[in-house]
Amino acid sequence: GEDVEQSLFLSVREGDSSVINCTYTDSSSTYLYWYKQEPGAGLQLLTYIFSNMDMKQDQRLTVLLNKKDKHLSLRIADTQTGDSAIYFCAETHSPSGTYKYIFGTGTRLKVLA
Amino acid sequence: DAGVTQSPTHLIKTRGQQVTLRCSPKSGHDTVSWYQQALGQGPQFIFQYYEEEERQRGNFPDRFSGHQFPNYSSELNVNALLLGDSALYLCASSLGTGGTETQYFGPGTRLLVL
Repeated sequence: GEDVEQSLFLSVREGDSSVINCTYTDSSSTYLYWYKQEPGAGLQLLTYIFSNMDMKQDQRLTVLLNKKDKHLSLRIADTQTGDSAIYFCAETHSPSGTYKYIFGTGTRLKVLA
Repeated sequence: DAGVTQSPTHLIKTRGQQVTLRCSPKSGHDTVSWYQQALGQGPQFIFQYYEEEERQRGNFPDRFSGHQFPNYSSELNVNALLLGDSALYLCASSLGTGGTETQYFGPGTRLLVL
C-alpha cells in the first residue's frame, strides 16, 4: 500500500540541529523528496535522494535513507528562525508506469529564538 | 524564467456550484499534476496530464476533471462542489512522467466552499 508517515511537531532552539523523520511503506519507491511549505505558500523543493543512496548532503541539509527500515530523515544544521515551516517528505510511486507523488502529513518545525 | 503560476489565488463558491482552476507550468515543462491539500494535511494526488491526456489518477471522484492544452497549461474542474472540497489546490509541473523528474509547485489556489 501507499503510506507516508511523519511526526506532527518539532521544536528546536536556534542554532541547534533539527532532525525530521519519515517512514514509508512502498519498497519500490524510486526517489524520496523533502519539501518545505511556509504559511500561505506552495511547496518548495529542498532536496531529494535516489533510493540506491544512503546519504546526501546539501549545505545545511543532510538526508539519510535506511531502505531496509523504509526510514528517511532530514537533518538541518544550525537551524534558523527562517527554517520554521512545515516539512513534507514524499515518495514517487509507479503503479502503472507513470509516476505520482505520495506525500506525508507534514512536520511543523518551530524554531525558538 | 517564470515558475509555475496558478489562478485565481483565492476563490469562494457555494455548494453545488462548479469551479475551474488554472495552471501554467514552468517554462520547458510538459507535465502537470494536480493536488488537493486540506487544512493540516499533506497534498493528495488528484491526477496528472501529459500530452493532453490524463495519465494517472488518484482516489478522487469523477466530479474532478481536467484538461491540458497544447501549450501545456492545464485546468482543474470540480463539479457539484461539496463543503469538503474546501482546500488548497496545488499544481506541479515537471518534464516527463518518468518519476525521476522533479516536480515544481505553484503557490496554489485556495478554494472555500460555503
